[in-house]
Amino acid sequence: RKEVEQDPGPFNVPEGATVAFNCTYSNSASQSFFWYRQDCRKEPKLLMSVYSSGNEDGRFTAQLNRASQYISLLIRDSKLSDSATYLCVVNLGNTGGFKTIFGAGTRLFVKA
Amino acid sequence: EAGVAQSPRYKIIEKRQSVAFWCNPISGHATLYWYQQILGQGPKLLIQFQNNGVVDDSQLPKDRFSAERLKGVDSTLKIQPAKLEDSAVYLCASSLQPGQGWVEQYFGPGTRLTVT
Repeated sequence: RKEVEQDPGPFNVPEGATVAFNCTYSNSASQSFFWYRQDCRKEPKLLMSVYSSGNEDGRFTAQLNRASQYISLLIRDSKLSDSATYLCVVNLGNTGGFKTIFGAGTRLFVKA
Repeated sequence: EAGVAQSPRYKIIEKRQSVAFWCNPISGHATLYWYQQILGQGPKLLIQFQNNGVVDDSQLPKDRFSAERLKGVDSTLKIQPAKLEDSAVYLCASSLQPGQGWVEQYFGPGTRLTVT
C-alpha cells in the first residue's frame, strides 16, 4: 500500500462546477498535511495547509479526518485557471525532523 | 525576495555518464530538500538537509547518488553513473526551520534530466 494515495483522475469539469479530491495516508503518526498545486512543467506550489478543524480559502476548502486517515480538497465555482495537478502532501515525524511524502497527484481539467 | 535557484535547467547525457545539479535556496532557509519527479508521479524525497547535516536520505540510491550541502547554503546533487531510469525532473526545495513540520516548502524550477 502506498503511503499517500490519490485518485489520479483526470477530472474533466465545466467552468463553475464543484469538484472534490480525496487523499488517504497510511501512517497514523503523520503530523501535518498540505495540498500543493503543480501546473504543467512547473514546480509545485503550496495551495493550503490542512488543519484538523478544516480550513477555507476563498473557493477552496480542505478537510482532515485523522480517524479515517483521509484528507479532502473541495473547489467551488471552478475556473479555467484551476486546471492543474493537485498534490496531497503528508509530513511524518522523523529523527531530527520530519519526512515529506507526496501523493502522485490528481489532474484537473476545467473546460469552458 | 529571490526564489530557489537551480542549474542547469536541462541536461541530456548518455547512460553511465556523470551529472551534477546545483541548488541555491532562499536566503535564511535552514532546510533544503532534493526530490526526484518521474513523469506522471509525485515528487519523491531523495535527501533532506538541516543546515549542513543530513536529516533523511533513506530513499537516496547511495550506490550512484550523492549530495552535499557545504556551509549550510548551496547544495549539489550528483549521479554517477547515470541509468536510463534516472530520467526525471530533479527539484530542489527549501524551507525555514521545520519545527513540527507546518512549514511551506518553496521549490525551484527543477532540472530536467534525460538519460539516453
